[in-house]
Amino acid sequence: QKEVEQDPGPLSVPEGAIVSLNCTYSNSAFQYFMWYRQYSRKGPELLMYTYSSGNKEDGRFTAQVDKSSKYISLFIRDSQPSDSATYLCAMRVGSGGSNYKLTFGKGTLLTVNP
Amino acid sequence: EAGVAQSPRYKIIEKRQSVAFWCNPISGHATLYWYQQILGQGPKLLIQFQNNGVVDDSQLPKDRFSAERLKGVDSTLKIQPAKLEDSAVYLCASSTGGVEQFFGPGTRLTVL
Repeated sequence: QKEVEQDPGPLSVPEGAIVSLNCTYSNSAFQYFMWYRQYSRKGPELLMYTYSSGNKEDGRFTAQVDKSSKYISLFIRDSQPSDSATYLCAMRVGSGGSNYKLTFGKGTLLTVNP
Repeated sequence: EAGVAQSPRYKIIEKRQSVAFWCNPISGHATLYWYQQILGQGPKLLIQFQNNGVVDDSQLPKDRFSAERLKGVDSTLKIQPAKLEDSAVYLCASSTGGVEQFFGPGTRLTVL
């Protein structure tokens, strides 16, 4: 079993739709949960992160972490064509030394159609 | 603030040839990472530097890959000899040790 599993999609939605992206993981030591966005032929950029369990909201984006189920989600409200990208979940154990190491999911390719 | 710089952006080589990639991190970032991203997959960490010391190279294929970080700033990643399965995007990232890692645009390597 891979440490982080993510449905690769692709996912195609109409503009204005609510998008739900998900990852599951097996390593109970993960403490930091991130979502990166990667546009074509660019490097990933951090969208938002959550420490431990709970929800975090930033504009149209909401990240949720359920450590009991080892399940994380990213919701995008009122999706826009500019949201079209690959979304990568990433996780790390903690701070210091090799604990900074990120373990990524495969990424989900999202297309928002005008 | 300038981002992470990488060069070249694209490289095409024959198998068994050697290749080198260069990375200039964001000024002041002590931690530098090299990731390999194969098409359709997420980035996989190859090596992590803290200043000019190696913190984690457990997933670096040391029989063919090598990396160094001179004076705790720029870094080079070398592959010698290259194999077909090394075709990927090689991403460099840097951080201050906080949560966010800042990624460069990557070098797209094609091995024929």
